[in-house]
Amino acid sequence: EVVLTQSPATLSLSPGERATLSCRASQSISTYLAWYQQKPGQAPRLLIYDASNRATGIPARFSGSGSGTDFTLSISSLEPEDFAVYYCQQRSGWPPGFGPGTKVDIK
Amino acid sequence: EVQLVESGGVLVQPGGSLRLSCAASGFTFSSYWMTWVRQAPGKGLEWVASINEDGTDTRYVDSVKGRFTISRDNAKSSLYLQMNCLRGEDTAVYYCTRDPTRRYDFWGQGTLVTVSS
Repeated sequence: EVVLTQSPATLSLSPGERATLSCRASQSISTYLAWYQQKPGQAPRLLIYDASNRATGIPARFSGSGSGTDFTLSISSLEPEDFAVYYCQQRSGWPPGFGPGTKVDIK
Repeated sequence: EVQLVESGGVLVQPGGSLRLSCAASGFTFSSYWMTWVRQAPGKGLEWVASINEDGTDTRYVDSVKGRFTISRDNAKSSLYLQMNCLRGEDTAVYYCTRDPTRRYDFWGQGTLVTVSS
């Protein structure tokens, strides 16, 4: 079973700054990684799939990279609506699984 | 517009049973795997169960195997989760998701299941 770890647990930044979130897999998962955003009281939203493909309607300031075991979600310039929790998720075989999340909050 | 609307979440006693439903619209339901994902209060996301397009292939997280059953009715564009022998650790918001190859591109608003005496 693949285990995902995310770092940091919390990232405190100001609007306009760049955010860099990390997700690491316990074994190689190729590019079978997705990223989700969740705001309080809302369902998660798919941002990135297969490591680097933006989902429909996702702004260009969100980008994903990586392969194998190390992945990154970048937000080029934080907008007020980007402060949320971000989860990575792997789909390399069964069971699929989520990382514990990174909270991006306002500094 | 893709819509997923869950229902059926309530307060139930430990050992009890419950069936969650998810009504889908805005896409060809019978062409997609579907998945339930849950989130315990204040915690992260957990994959629970998935079902293939025609209902012949089902998968479960170990903690619910033998207790939960995922099913679907393609004629009604509906997904279900039968939950038996409920435990306190099953307390969570349960999300219905559309699942094109084990990524979850649309989510319902969730339904809260509380297991408590």
